[in-house]
Amino acid sequence: AQSVTQPDIHITVSEGASLELRCNYSYGATPYLFWYVQSPGQGLQLLLKYFSGDTLVQGIKGFEAEFKRSQSSFNLRKPSVHWSDAAEYFCASNNAGNMLTFGGGTRLMVKP
Amino acid sequence: DTGVSQDPRHKITKRGQNVTFRCDPISEHNRLYWYRQTLGQGPEFLTYFQNEAQLEKSRLLSDRFSAERPKGSFSTLEIQRTEQGDSAMYLCASSSSGSGEQFFGPGTRLTVL
Repeated sequence: AQSVTQPDIHITVSEGASLELRCNYSYGATPYLFWYVQSPGQGLQLLLKYFSGDTLVQGIKGFEAEFKRSQSSFNLRKPSVHWSDAAEYFCASNNAGNMLTFGGGTRLMVKP
Repeated sequence: DTGVSQDPRHKITKRGQNVTFRCDPISEHNRLYWYRQTLGQGPEFLTYFQNEAQLEKSRLLSDRFSAERPKGSFSTLEIQRTEQGDSAMYLCASSSSGSGEQFFGPGTRLTVL
């Protein structure tokens, strides 16, 4: 069965600092991989996705993620964090178009 | 395109009551998914439809839960005899066949007293 792990439950960064959120997946083949963001009380917004091809993918709001098969990882990065990026971030995978399996989420707090 | 919509946004009910939630997907999407999210956790898959056919159900979907998508458009999720453990955010998502990308609605937050 697929599983997705986000090792960091909470992360606090200063505004303007760089950010990296970790995600590890467990799946035999290369899954489709996603990062979603959720603001309090809201649904999930897709930041970016990886299906195949270039292992560095660009998303919205200045985010990017890198797929590393050897490490079974799909870490999310942003070079300079803004206060509005404070939210919960979820990594997810699926097996070609069916149900998504989510990690437990990482709550990002941004210090002024 | 107004995105995925869900109704109601919030529902408070007493234990033992039945509740029904509605999801309207993006109009051209033929796949519709239901997820449940408890506080501090990631969403967990409940069930999904392709058109009007319910193709997969999670073991989380007990006999008290039933979902329908009668005409392949909107969907309803009913919980009978609610329990306090049913308190959660219920999220709906939709996608096109063959596309891994799912678009989520704002969710329905259920509180069972």
